[in-house]
Amino acid sequence: EPEVTQTPSHQVTQMGQEVILRCVPISNHLYFYWYRQILGQKVEFLVSFYNNEISEKSEIFDDQFSVERPDGSNFTLKIRSTKLEDSAMYFCASRLVPNYGYTFGSGTRLTVV
Amino acid sequence: EDQVTQSPEALRLQEGESSSLNCSYTVSGLRGLFWYRQDPGKGPEFLFTLYSAGEEKEKERLKATLTKKESFLHITAPKPEDSATYLCAVPPVSGGYNKLIFGAGTRLAVHP
Repeated sequence: EPEVTQTPSHQVTQMGQEVILRCVPISNHLYFYWYRQILGQKVEFLVSFYNNEISEKSEIFDDQFSVERPDGSNFTLKIRSTKLEDSAMYFCASRLVPNYGYTFGSGTRLTVV
Repeated sequence: EDQVTQSPEALRLQEGESSSLNCSYTVSGLRGLFWYRQDPGKGPEFLFTLYSAGEEKEKERLKATLTKKESFLHITAPKPEDSATYLCAVPPVSGGYNKLIFGAGTRLAVHP
């Protein structure tokens, strides 16, 4: 069964450092997303991406965040200057059509120290 | 404000003891309700989408139903491997299908 692949599975970074979280969505999917889940809290939306541009972003997704689809397979989330409160599980997701369920990746656990 | 509320927060069952999980929402003009299963340290796994009141979907021991204000996930004769957090989510009224609003989930533990 097709999978969404995320790397790394766990990243530890110092506050103020830049991190790039990587995702390979399912190959024929057209809609891409990043969500995050702080430990013990809800899954929360960060950004959606379609046709090489951001469709919608949340209040969390400020100027420190950016997304990119540099080629036909990868989808990245960059955090320019990490803060302690950025520590969370970050999930990439994709789907073929907009009103169907997402396929999520297994996530990247980001720990900012 | 669009909201999704799940109950109970946690549920402990004996193997074979059937029960139901609840998801209520305040979004008007519902355009789909999504159920996911999440294992610890993993991403949510898609289970079902329901679009209209009265709709039902089944997968193994799980059956999801939808009314105009809430959805139920019925678990029949659960097994320990059904232990997980079950999440429901809806698209908000505004913004098309660009995002989903998730509930906090119900943590289900099934004991042998």
